[in-house]
Amino acid sequence: EAQVTQNPRYLITVTGKKLTVTCSQNMNHEYMSWYRQDPGLGLRQIYYSMNVEVTDKGDVPEGYKVSRKEKRNFPLILESPSPNQTSLYFCASSLEGQGARNYGYTFGSGTRLTVV
Amino acid sequence: AQSVAQPEDQVNVAEGNPLTVKCTYSVSGNPYLFWYVQYPNRGLQFLLKYITGDNLVKGSYGFEAEFNKSQTSFHLKKPSALVSDSALYFCAVRGSGGYQKVTFGIGTKLQVIP
Repeated sequence: EAQVTQNPRYLITVTGKKLTVTCSQNMNHEYMSWYRQDPGLGLRQIYYSMNVEVTDKGDVPEGYKVSRKEKRNFPLILESPSPNQTSLYFCASSLEGQGARNYGYTFGSGTRLTVV
Repeated sequence: AQSVAQPEDQVNVAEGNPLTVKCTYSVSGNPYLFWYVQYPNRGLQFLLKYITGDNLVKGSYGFEAEFNKSQTSFHLKKPSALVSDSALYFCAVRGSGGYQKVTFGIGTKLQVIP
């Protein structure tokens, strides 16, 4: 089944304790992206990646890092989480940049992060 | 800068009645437009897209959307609402040509009343 898999689904952590949210897709998509969803703000892009070793900032990159060492994986790293990073996070992938005009995103199920 | 407006936080409709969820957009050049649905505790699911061609786009679960270039709108519609359609709906826009960022609206909660 074509899918984007995020782990963990739920995470409660303390301020300053480094954490990683994993994201993996099995559709051979070159494009992957991270979003955070907050009430009243919709989805805001954190980082995106056009291909292996190619990443760029989205709208709200502060406090986050990403890496893209393999096509299928795109982990989101919070080096020193703070309470304002409490949010619902989504990873997505698509055929963007692969010559197709099917730009629909496939989203993961989300990671609900609470930083106390 | 491109943007998407979903003017209604919530839309209430009786089961069996037609529904409309509104979306207007702003983007340079020709728009690529999308609708996604999010059920509770789930990720977003792709419903439909407009790239070019017919202004009426048909998608999943009986939904359709009408592209209106002059009004820069892309409203989501369904002829007969089901209780199971109750969810959060997001409109999104992307410019055409090369890599373009996708911008999402803030979402509209659809409540279908039995």
